Amino acid sequence: ELKVEQNPLFLSMQEGKNYTIYCNYSTTSDRLYWYRQDPGKSLESLFVLLSNGAVKQEGRLMASLDTKARLSTLHITAAVHDLSATYFCAVGGATNKLIFGTGTLLAVQP
Amino acid sequence: GAGVSQSPSNKVTEKGKDVELRCDPISGHTALYWYRQRLGQGLEFLIYFQGNSAPDKSGLPSDRFSAERTGESVSTLTIQRTQQEDSAVYLCASSLGWAGDPTNEKLFFGSGTQLSVL
Repeated sequence: ELKVEQNPLFLSMQEGKNYTIYCNYSTTSDRLYWYRQDPGKSLESLFVLLSNGAVKQEGRLMASLDTKARLSTLHITAAVHDLSATYFCAVGGATNKLIFGTGTLLAVQP
Repeated sequence: GAGVSQSPSNKVTEKGKDVELRCDPISGHTALYWYRQRLGQGLEFLIYFQGNSAPDKSGLPSDRFSAERTGESVSTLTIQRTQQEDSAVYLCASSLGWAGDPTNEKLFFGSGTQLSVL
């Protein structure tokens, strides 16, 4: 059974600092997604990563995928308050359903 | 419509009552998911519909939960004899479906139904 874990679960950052969120998954998959959820809102897609070594960047966020290690990272560069949200990774399983990680609540402090 | 629509947005019910939640996916999306999100928690997979294939019901927590989907359109999630632990936001999402192309798997989420069982 596919299991997806994220760490940390909660991250308090100062503006301007860099940090990384990790997403580990338990079985082979060739696709991984990152989503963002603002408080009280639904989820929005950020990135789709489809192959080993894939890297996607948008603004201050950069996501990468290592399928051999079953690990994806979401790197935040020079954080700003607008990035405060909960970030989820999701992994495609053998039965084609997406399993979500536990989420990382990011709070960027001024 | 332009996005995934869920109704009602909020539902307050008494313990033991049945509730029905509705999801209208994006037109043309063959895949439809239901997830549950308890306060401060991650997304818990409930059920997955893909086209005319048998649904994947492996995430339904008990036999009080059931879901149906008519073709590739509306889906309803029914919870019978609601319990307080059923209180959560129920999220529906749709996508173009797998069909061997991961880019079609990107999920579009509705705004959810906040269910409160008193």
